[in-house]
Amino acid sequence: GIQVEQSPPDLILQEGANSTLRCNFSDSVNNLQWFHQNPWGQLINLFYIPSGTKQNGRLSATTVATERYSLLYISSSQTTDSGVYFCAVIDGYGQNFVFGPGTRLSVLP
Amino acid sequence: DSGVTQTPKHLITATGQRVTLRCSPRSGDLSVYWYQQSLDQGLQFLIQYYNGEERAKGNILERFSAQQFPDLHSELNLSSLELGDSALYFCASSVARGGETQYFGPGTRLLVL
Repeated sequence: GIQVEQSPPDLILQEGANSTLRCNFSDSVNNLQWFHQNPWGQLINLFYIPSGTKQNGRLSATTVATERYSLLYISSSQTTDSGVYFCAVIDGYGQNFVFGPGTRLSVLP
Repeated sequence: DSGVTQTPKHLITATGQRVTLRCSPRSGDLSVYWYQQSLDQGLQFLIQYYNGEERAKGNILERFSAQQFPDLHSELNLSSLELGDSALYFCASSVARGGETQYFGPGTRLLVL
């Protein structure tokens, strides 16, 4: 099945810094989503982005499907951005959602 | 608040027992997904229902089963529970069946003793 990797596994930032999180996948996909799991465990959908670029406030995401990666950009980070960021994909053949291992982000005041 | 509700929030039970987790999707959403999150396995997709029919199956054990009812709420049944089934179980919903933007419930934390 499709493999999903995320980097870096851990990231520590000072408030106000920018960051880029990466998601690599091993096969073509027809669905890719980014999620944020806050420190209280709640999962929140950030982007549905199988291709192209989207922006939502301080967050933006780009998926280059032909090169099998997606990037999540966080600008002017805030302490409330802390948590784990997951990307998840459905490959081009199946209907099974596969999550990456996540990037744990800690934003320090 | 995502609009997806899950009950109960916490559940403590013993090995060998059977439990039922309940999920109500957002109003208008036809798809329901179940996920398991554990420390060693990470987030795993279990199963998806669309408008009452099973749509996709992931890493769901044979001891687990699910269904979606005519009012679109869903239940996940876990039987012959083992210590390793202790995890956070999430339900999510989306409008259609293609896995587009999913909205997650708060989860049910299951502890098997």
